[in-house]
Amino acid sequence: DTGVSQDPRHKITKRGQNVTFRCDPISEHNRLYWYRQTLGQGPEFLTYFQNEAQLEKSRLLSDRFSAERPKGSFSTLEIQRTEQGDSAMYLCASSVRANGNTIYFGEGSWLTVV
Amino acid sequence: QQQVKQSPQSLIVQKGGISIINCAYENTAFDYFPWYQQFPGKGPALLIAIRPDVSEKKEGRFTISFNKSAKQFSLHIMDSQPGDSATYFCAASRGSGGSYIPTFGRGTSLIVHP
Repeated sequence: DTGVSQDPRHKITKRGQNVTFRCDPISEHNRLYWYRQTLGQGPEFLTYFQNEAQLEKSRLLSDRFSAERPKGSFSTLEIQRTEQGDSAMYLCASSVRANGNTIYFGEGSWLTVV
Repeated sequence: QQQVKQSPQSLIVQKGGISIINCAYENTAFDYFPWYQQFPGKGPALLIAIRPDVSEKKEGRFTISFNKSAKQFSLHIMDSQPGDSATYFCAASRGSGGSYIPTFGRGTSLIVHP
């Protein structure tokens, strides 16, 4: 049983560097979500794809953030010119349209910007 | 504007006791209310969910109570166990006519003492 897979699980980077996270959703899940979670807070929505189309983006997704899902399968989230405030866990989730309300999260990618 | 308000922020319960976590929402278009459980270093996992056409849903030791007129819902954990120690998040989403994107509360850290 393969759930949502995220890579890398942990990333430490220097301020100003670019980082990229990858998410592989559950097979045949056509919806994919990115969330950000900081310590002591709930997940905050960043962006959402249905197949390869990016249908919604949060105000949290500044112009330094870009997400893609080129073939409607895996997705990448890139953060350019990282800042210390970007330190968080980046969560990916997926769902299947027929049961769109139930989303399944991966274990997250921890980012620490030093 | 916080659309889903969760309380308490933390909760300590003795083994065998009842844990109660409350949430309130503002958007009457929400039509799906899940609870997620998150262990340290892991992504949130769906625990139980309810739709507004019922007032209560029970699965094992976990029960959701839903009050549509008050726009409130709560999670009750009966016979709480040390293994239930985790952070719990309520969420709300809009399915029909919406995007199914869950909005999360800030979480409740539950500690169950043996």
